[in-house]
Amino acid sequence: EAGVTQSPTHLIKTRGQQATLRCSPISGHTSVYWYQQALGLGLQFLLWYDEGEERNRGNFPPRFSGRQFPNYSSELNVNALELEDSALYLCASSNGWRGTENQPQHFGDGTRLSIL
Amino acid sequence: QKEVEQNSGPLSVPEGAIASLNCTYSDRGSQSFFWYRQYSGKSPELIMFIYSNGDKEDGRFTAQLNKASQYVSLLIRDSQPSDSATYLCAASYGGATNKLIFGTGTLLAVQP
Repeated sequence: EAGVTQSPTHLIKTRGQQATLRCSPISGHTSVYWYQQALGLGLQFLLWYDEGEERNRGNFPPRFSGRQFPNYSSELNVNALELEDSALYLCASSNGWRGTENQPQHFGDGTRLSIL
Repeated sequence: QKEVEQNSGPLSVPEGAIASLNCTYSDRGSQSFFWYRQYSGKSPELIMFIYSNGDKEDGRFTAQLNKASQYVSLLIRDSQPSDSATYLCAASYGGATNKLIFGTGTLLAVQP
């Protein structure tokens, strides 16, 4: 079974540009999550998509946005890039969610975004 | 502010010993708890998850949960040098929230 796949592996941008990161979940998983892991900081929750809808959003500015497609793959868009956006962006997927016991999230290898 | 706290380490144990990794969380609404292993430069890999009070064993790994004390731990028996990594504890608040709150991780070093 293929795991979560992310592309590109590395992305280099300059300040003010826009970046698009892509994620394909594990087959059968309907939920996709995005996390940011900046150097020296822990993983910070960005966005959660399930069945094509944005379900929850972390404490990030609106220039971080995304969407989920009918095949459950997802895109993360970051507009007006700033130097502090340099980080590893991780996508995770899970088999939906049920009640109070959340399904485990499985991570992809990440996209390392560098802002020059 | 919901938080998950871990000792950053490094925790150094000899090969073959039991490594004990600990985690506390601040919000009693937390329902699900996860341990991930992250090698340097790699993405987190799910090791264990636990929902109910008590112990859950999987091979050399045992997760322990005490909701009254808001405490989660991971025991690694017969530690191997390949277990050397950062171990991340995460809590989820259930239902429609469904996001993981991560601790900053504990670096484990298993000495041959």
